[in-house]
Amino acid sequence: SQQGEEDPQALSIQEGENATMNCSYKTSINNLQWYRQNSGRGLVHLILIRSNEREKHSGRLRVTLDTSKKSSSLLITASRAADTASYFCATDQGDSWGKFQFGAGTQVVVTP
Amino acid sequence: ETGVTQSPTHLIKTRGQQVTLRCSSQSGHNTVSWYQQALGQGPQFIFQYYREEENGRGNFPPRFSGLQFPNYSSELNVNALELDDSALYLCASSAWTTEAFFGQGTRLTVV
Repeated sequence: SQQGEEDPQALSIQEGENATMNCSYKTSINNLQWYRQNSGRGLVHLILIRSNEREKHSGRLRVTLDTSKKSSSLLITASRAADTASYFCATDQGDSWGKFQFGAGTQVVVTP
Repeated sequence: ETGVTQSPTHLIKTRGQQVTLRCSSQSGHNTVSWYQQALGQGPQFIFQYYREEENGRGNFPPRFSGLQFPNYSSELNVNALELDDSALYLCASSAWTTEAFFGQGTRLTVV
């Protein structure tokens, strides 16, 4: 069964708008990482947030983590056409560092 | 550029054949994990190698096997290929408890 589930499945926005996607998971985690994937190519690492952190920023990206609700959100501000991609959250638990469980991803389309 | 390279980029094999995929991990990384991503789905964990030893395996049959070499590069071998093995195969390298970086993947098509 999948640990991370992204929501929504798909998101269509215009350039300049913000995009928010959520990830829910089922069991306690050590860390949560967000990745971007363009057109079935490799995964690009965006942000790692550890279980004792609540929020992290990187450029136009903001990630929050709520361990009590077992959920995380990724916010992309001032989106650009180049942000068009699928976004995945990856979680690992216990001593299973790097043995990620992924959801099916959120497909984001940013139109000019 | 992540420093993680995979080869080949694309591969077409016939059902029943065997295939070897390769991954060069980023400098300083001692952990390599392999994933299978079917079209339209998220990656599924195959197995992980840490300091040349298998360190966990997902729900994949024994015909999926691997190796990690002293320089921490890795191979994924799949025997007796089936049509359902057609997928994007991704490797990720990391140092223990740091970010994991993925290669560009190998697109395997089994006909």
